[in-house]
Amino acid sequence: DTAVSQTPKYLVTQMGNDKSIKCEQNLGHDTMYWYKQDSKKFLKIMFSYNNKELIINETVPNRFSPKSPDKAHLNLHINSLELGDSAVYFCASSHRGTSKNTGELFFGEGSRLTVL
Amino acid sequence: RKEVEQDPGPFNVPEGATVAFNCTYSNSASQSFFWYRQDCRKEPKLLMSVYSSGNEDGRFTAQLNRASQYISLLIRDSKLSDSATYLCVVRGFQKLVFGTGTRLLVSP
Repeated sequence: DTAVSQTPKYLVTQMGNDKSIKCEQNLGHDTMYWYKQDSKKFLKIMFSYNNKELIINETVPNRFSPKSPDKAHLNLHINSLELGDSAVYFCASSHRGTSKNTGELFFGEGSRLTVL
Repeated sequence: RKEVEQDPGPFNVPEGATVAFNCTYSNSASQSFFWYRQDCRKEPKLLMSVYSSGNEDGRFTAQLNRASQYISLLIRDSKLSDSATYLCVVRGFQKLVFGTGTRLLVSP
């Protein structure tokens, strides 16, 4: 069984369109994240939710809107797509801070978005 | 200055070689440190945590130097399957910050 699953894996769309990526985890974790990995392979956090509550919102255009209907799901909706949004978007989950050394994020396989 | 900096490589080594990667971080208050591995077109996965006293896991040894804000990863007896990108990761406030990664290519 896939621990963190995200769909779709590939998304090709035109500039200006709106698209969504869905993420689900079956690990019982209380925290979920969206990371963006650009063409230079830099992996940068976008959002983090803990028990459906937004706890991290990095400097991300407000065209990006996360939604967490429950602690097992974190979806990402993107409005008015731009060329620069092309990247791989990774969903991840973890237990929040049971130990200061806890660092294991479990990532989904990524959603490769190409904006034409 | 980036929060976490790594040499992007690639490091090209023959099988059996020993290779070391370094990483520096800017936030002196950082408490937790990790190495992740990312294979081509795959998701990152935790390789090992880095403890203050240094730690070893099989062929992999991680070291932390808090005074210099420096983390290292040593891989002994490299295997072809070690070819991947190695990401240095530092726990910041409520989040993990990833370095851009060092690419390792192990050849026969």
